[in-house]
Amino acid sequence: KAGVTQTPRYLIKTRGQQVTLSCSPISGHRSVSWYQQTPGQGLQFLFEYFSETQRNKGNFPGRFSGRQFSNSRSEMNVSTLELGDSALYLCASSLHRGVFTGELFFGEGSRLTVL
Amino acid sequence: SQQGEEDPQALSIQEGENATMNCSYKTSINNLQWYRQNSGRGLVHLILIRSNEREKHSGRLRVTLDTSKKSSSLLITASRAADTASYFCATSPTHAGNNRKLIWGLGTSLAVNP
Repeated sequence: KAGVTQTPRYLIKTRGQQVTLSCSPISGHRSVSWYQQTPGQGLQFLFEYFSETQRNKGNFPGRFSGRQFSNSRSEMNVSTLELGDSALYLCASSLHRGVFTGELFFGEGSRLTVL
Repeated sequence: SQQGEEDPQALSIQEGENATMNCSYKTSINNLQWYRQNSGRGLVHLILIRSNEREKHSGRLRVTLDTSKKSSSLLITASRAADTASYFCATSPTHAGNNRKLIWGLGTSLAVNP
């Protein structure tokens, strides 16, 4: 069974641009969560999608948005990029949502550098 | 703010030695998980321990949970160079209900020297 696939793996953007990251979950997994990881802040929860609906959202500005498609694939978008958005963006999928009882399966991440 | 705090922040040991990492959290939880992350890669799930469990084993890993002290420890026995990675704890707070959101610590960086 294929794992979680994130594309692109690396990208460089300049301030003010926008970026779209893609995540394909494990087949059969309907929940996709996104995280931002930086050395100083650790893993910060961005949002979770389940059955094409955003179920949960972290404390990020409106520049960060996402969506989920009917095949459970998810995208996240960051508009008007700032230097502080440089980070590793991780996607994780799981079978269920609700009161969490299982493990998350992570992709390898998308490394975003904003110049 | 982070719910989990790992201790120590960094740990360096020799191959064959045991490594112990600790995680403290602030509110009551449903469960606690440990993950490993190799440099710049995705996280890999290691073990999950529920709030009604006190100890759990998986291969060379041993996890304990003390809900009265709101803390957990991860012990890696007979460490190998391949265990070099960052280790994170993640908690599922009970107050979240169906608003599922794991809370992550900042991690312990483990270096196992050959």
